[in-house]
Amino acid sequence: QQQVKQSPQSLIVQKGGISIINCAYENTAFDYFPWYQQFPGKGPALLIAIRPDVSEKKEGRFTISFNKSAKQFSLHIMDSQPGDSATYFCAASMGNNFNKFYFGSGTKLNVKP
Amino acid sequence: ETGVTQTPRHLVMGMTNKKSLKCEQHLGHNAMYWYKQSAKKPLELMFVYSLEERVENNSVPSRFSPECPNSSHLFLHLHTLQPEDSALYLCASSQDLQGWNTIYFGEGSWLTVV
Repeated sequence: QQQVKQSPQSLIVQKGGISIINCAYENTAFDYFPWYQQFPGKGPALLIAIRPDVSEKKEGRFTISFNKSAKQFSLHIMDSQPGDSATYFCAASMGNNFNKFYFGSGTKLNVKP
Repeated sequence: ETGVTQTPRHLVMGMTNKKSLKCEQHLGHNAMYWYKQSAKKPLELMFVYSLEERVENNSVPSRFSPECPNSSHLFLHLHTLQPEDSALYLCASSQDLQGWNTIYFGEGSWLTVV
């Protein structure tokens, strides 16, 4: 059973637009939710992360919105740029347990110039 | 330059071959991981090592055999693989096993089994 469900599988956005990627989880014991960004030919790299004591975290053009009651969280990329074109993975873990992440299946983002 | 280095970057092997993937981390971390990445599937955690001791083996077939000789090096020994084992194999490391640590990934080894 997939612990973290991610959608959409692929996304095309015009330059300057907002990219939104959604994730849902079932296990209420999860308390750490990172997003990883992966460019072609590279390994995933941490982009931004949130803990459930806040509903939103913003770093530059990237924002995580977290809805604890709905067990959902999303990544918003404002003013999307062609350089943001990559695959994005959400993940969830039990932060005070050992470092075992459950990853979503990924969203391939293509930002058109 | 990534702090986690994987070699080889590409590997083609027959089903009867024996090969190994190598990973080295230059970050002074105590935990290392092997993940499998297949198209349109979530990253699959295969093995976890902490201070050279294996702490997780996610029901991985025995044709995959990990080795961690020290906290900086991790190997994945491969033998009698199947075509469905073709994937990107990612090595990663983190400071320790605390769940809020950032995982640092290498660039991966593309494996094709023919």
